[in-house]
Amino acid sequence: QKEVEQDPGPLSVPEGAIVSLNCTYSNSAFQYFMWYRQYSRKGPELLMYTYSSGNKEDGRFTAQVDKSSKYISLFIRDSQPSDSATYLCALFSGGYNKLIFGAGTRLAVHP
Amino acid sequence: DGGITQSPKYLFRKEGQNVTLSCEQNLNHDAMYWYRQDPGQGLRLIYYSQIVNDFQKGDIAEGYSVSREKKESFPLTVTSAQKNPTAFYLCASSIDRQGEQPQHFGDGTRLSIL
Repeated sequence: QKEVEQDPGPLSVPEGAIVSLNCTYSNSAFQYFMWYRQYSRKGPELLMYTYSSGNKEDGRFTAQVDKSSKYISLFIRDSQPSDSATYLCALFSGGYNKLIFGAGTRLAVHP
Repeated sequence: DGGITQSPKYLFRKEGQNVTLSCEQNLNHDAMYWYRQDPGQGLRLIYYSQIVNDFQKGDIAEGYSVSREKKESFPLTVTSAQKNPTAFYLCASSIDRQGEQPQHFGDGTRLSIL
């Protein structure tokens, strides 16, 4: 079993839709949770960083962490064609001493 | 502008050849990392360095080598021992040596076999 599971998609939605991207993980020791956005032929850029259960909001983006279920989500409201990218979750635990990345979900927002 | 610069953007390797990928950062970050990204897979850690003149192997270090002679530079050499080098290589840095803080990435180097 992989340490972090992420549906690779592709996920195709119309402009304006609410998008839900998810990762599940197996090790309860993960303490820090990140979401990165990666455009084609570019490096990942940090979208959200959180270390506690609950919600964190930044503009159209909301990161949600449920440690009891070992489940993290990224919600995108009012999705735009410019949101079309691959979204990577990344988790950190002191035991691993490194970031563990999901495989990424490809999102396409069509006008 | 602070950031991470990777060069070249595209690189081609002949059989039996070693190639070096450059990574420079002006963020004054202590820690630097090299990842390999293949289609459908998450980023896999090759090497990382938490401080100048020190580095550790990641999960897939075989066939690769690094050096960290300066804080701002962390070059990666893909040696001829790496039999499947075709991939997208990403360099990252972090202000935090322990790895708790987010990493910031360059725009990658795409390496292909000739």
